[in-house]
Amino acid sequence: QSVLTQPPSVSAAPGQKVTISCSGSTSNIGNNYVSWYQQLPGTAPKLLIYDNNRRPSGIPDRFFGSKSGTSATLGITGLQTGDEADYYCVTWDSSLSAVLFGGGTKLTVL
Amino acid sequence: QVQLVQSGSELKTPGASVKVSCKASGYTFITHSMNWVRQAPGQGLEWMGWITTSTGNPTYAQDFTGRFVFSLDTSVSTAYLHISNLKAEDTAIYYCMRDNRVGEFDYWGQGTLVTVSS
Repeated sequence: QSVLTQPPSVSAAPGQKVTISCSGSTSNIGNNYVSWYQQLPGTAPKLLIYDNNRRPSGIPDRFFGSKSGTSATLGITGLQTGDEADYYCVTWDSSLSAVLFGGGTKLTVL
Repeated sequence: QVQLVQSGSELKTPGASVKVSCKASGYTFITHSMNWVRQAPGQGLEWMGWITTSTGNPTYAQDFTGRFVFSLDTSVSTAYLHISNLKAEDTAIYYCMRDNRVGEFDYWGQGTLVTVSS
C-alpha cells in the first residue's frame, strides 16, 4: 500500500481529456515538489512533469500538472492511443526521509 | 547526450549474489546522485535509495537495508547495485536513474532484469 494514493486505472476516448490524481499528506505532497512519470509498456519510465507543473523539453503541452494542498493532478488533453501507459507520481517525504512513488495508474485510451 | 546504460539480464539461484552496473555518459558523473528503483513483475516502482556520486555516501530506503549495497567507480562513471543472498522475491527489473534534485529523475537506464529461480 503506497503512501501516495493514485487510482489504479482511468480510461477515456481518443481526443478526450483525462486527469490522474495523487493524494498524499503534509509531510510529502503538501510541502514538496511533485513529479510525474510515464511508463510505456516494456520500457523505462520517462519524466513528464517536474516541480508540480513544469515540463521537460520535448514533452508536449498536452501534458500538464497541478498541485493543491496535499494532492497533485496530472492531466492529459487530446488523448492518443500512444498515451496508453502507466503513470506514477513521485515526491519526497520529509518525515520518512524517503522518496515516495504512487502506486501507479494505468491509462487506457478506448 | 546523457545516457545511462545498464548491464544485461541475470539468472541466479537463491542464495547467490548479483551486481548490476549503470554506466553514465554525456555529463559529469559526480554532479548528480544516482538512484535505484525496483519493479517486480506486473507491479509498481519501489524506490530503493540513492548514492551521492561526489562522496560515495549511500542512502537506503527502509525495505532495502542489509542485502543491498550501492557503490561507484567514478573512474569509469559507473554505479553499481549489489544484491546478496538472493531470494525469489528479488525477481524484478532494476532501474538506475539520475536525479536533478531529490525525487526528480530526468534520465533512466533501460533496466536490468534479475531472475531468481532454482
